[in-house]
Amino acid sequence: EVQLVETGPGLVQPGGSLRLSCAASGFPITNYYMSWVRQAPGKGLEWVSTIYNLGGTYYADSVKGRVTISRDTSKNTLYLQMNSLRVEDTAVYYCARLMGDGGGYNDYWGQGTLVTVSS
Amino acid sequence: SYVLTQPPSVSVAPGQTARITCGGNNIGTKSVHWYQQKPGQAPVLVINYDSDRPSGIPERFSGSNSGNTATLTIRWVEAGDEADYYCQVYDSRSDHRVFGSGTKVTVL
Repeated sequence: EVQLVETGPGLVQPGGSLRLSCAASGFPITNYYMSWVRQAPGKGLEWVSTIYNLGGTYYADSVKGRVTISRDTSKNTLYLQMNSLRVEDTAVYYCARLMGDGGGYNDYWGQGTLVTVSS
Repeated sequence: SYVLTQPPSVSVAPGQTARITCGGNNIGTKSVHWYQQKPGQAPVLVINYDSDRPSGIPERFSGSNSGNTATLTIRWVEAGDEADYYCQVYDSRSDHRVFGSGTKVTVL
């Protein structure tokens, strides 16, 4: 059974850093594209970043330069390192698996982890 | 960057048909995926590649895509279909994934 479980620190101060984790089970993450998608309170879904099976990484303009997506194949875990955090980064962060060709679609999602950036 | 436009809300009576549009420049040349999100839950894929239904999604859900508009159609709407719906595409020019702004479907 495919499962994705996100974890994170919860509350972070503006200007601070955090690392989100997404533990995957039921499939090897290195065989798939994997994404982070976020949702600010009361707002819509926003794509954040994707890592391809061969390791290529891509970022939304809103986070480029402040965010790094990575993975640990031995732990089958996806990460999102976020630096220089802003209040507007407050959101639920979901990790999701991508399937298919032509950019793919998100077939499995985690339950999400809330990140609050506040002093 | 590529922009997808959805109506903020759609209201429909039970048993009727809901149509949710997703507008984008030449979106008919892209593959469109649709997600349903209920309050407090993660999104769920309901349509991929314009009109394919994943396993477990009722036949009442269908999709189409042509020109500058993609459409998600929900026939014989039920109370349980009340949710936010998002369209999504891949923009090959930027290697970015793009979500629409979302449409809240209210069942009257």
